[in-house]
Amino acid sequence: GQSLEQPSEVTAVEGAIVQINCTYQTSGFYGLSWYQQHDGGAPTFLSYNALDGLEETGRFSSFLSRSDSYGYLLLQELQMKDSASYFCAVTNYGQNFVFGPGTRLSVLP
Amino acid sequence: DGGITQSPKYLFRKEGQNVTLSCEQNLNHDAMYWYRQDPGQGLRLIYYSQIVNDFQKGDIAEGYSVSREKKESFPLTVTSAQKNPTAFYLCASSNDGERQYFGPGTRLTVT
Repeated sequence: GQSLEQPSEVTAVEGAIVQINCTYQTSGFYGLSWYQQHDGGAPTFLSYNALDGLEETGRFSSFLSRSDSYGYLLLQELQMKDSASYFCAVTNYGQNFVFGPGTRLSVLP
Repeated sequence: DGGITQSPKYLFRKEGQNVTLSCEQNLNHDAMYWYRQDPGQGLRLIYYSQIVNDFQKGDIAEGYSVSREKKESFPLTVTSAQKNPTAFYLCASSNDGERQYFGPGTRLTVT
């Protein structure tokens, strides 16, 4: 089977840095992506990693270690608008996506 | 503007009725997906389609049906066999297996 694990909640203050971890078990792993979802809205794409290492996109970075079946999303210079749920998702070779349970990030003033 | 549209945004039905949710994309993507999301939960895959006239069951296909007669359209029917149909339904498309584009979602309430 396929499964992903993420912390259910993370809290941080404005301006801080927060890391959201994701571990996965899957067959035919192709890549790991991250999505942001505000309450009542649809998920929006943040980043994608197919190879080991760090990908940086503005204040957001994503890391992947294929050998450890582990990745994380790093959010820097947190802003109030970053309060949302964050999902990691595995793509397998069938171009099927499996989503994690999500991490709810609360940014405090 | 390219994107995915879902309609309606809110849908109310009586128990025992079938209901069809619309999903249209003009991104020219081959793959399309339907997810169900319950409050405070992640996304669960209902059905997906990699190409026209072909689709596969996801993890929770029971009580749902789909068709893919056109590349741009992937409607989902929630049948009366679905025991707990009230949920937020999200349609997505992809062309590279790296990124999914989501529609705004349909919030279905069945009473």
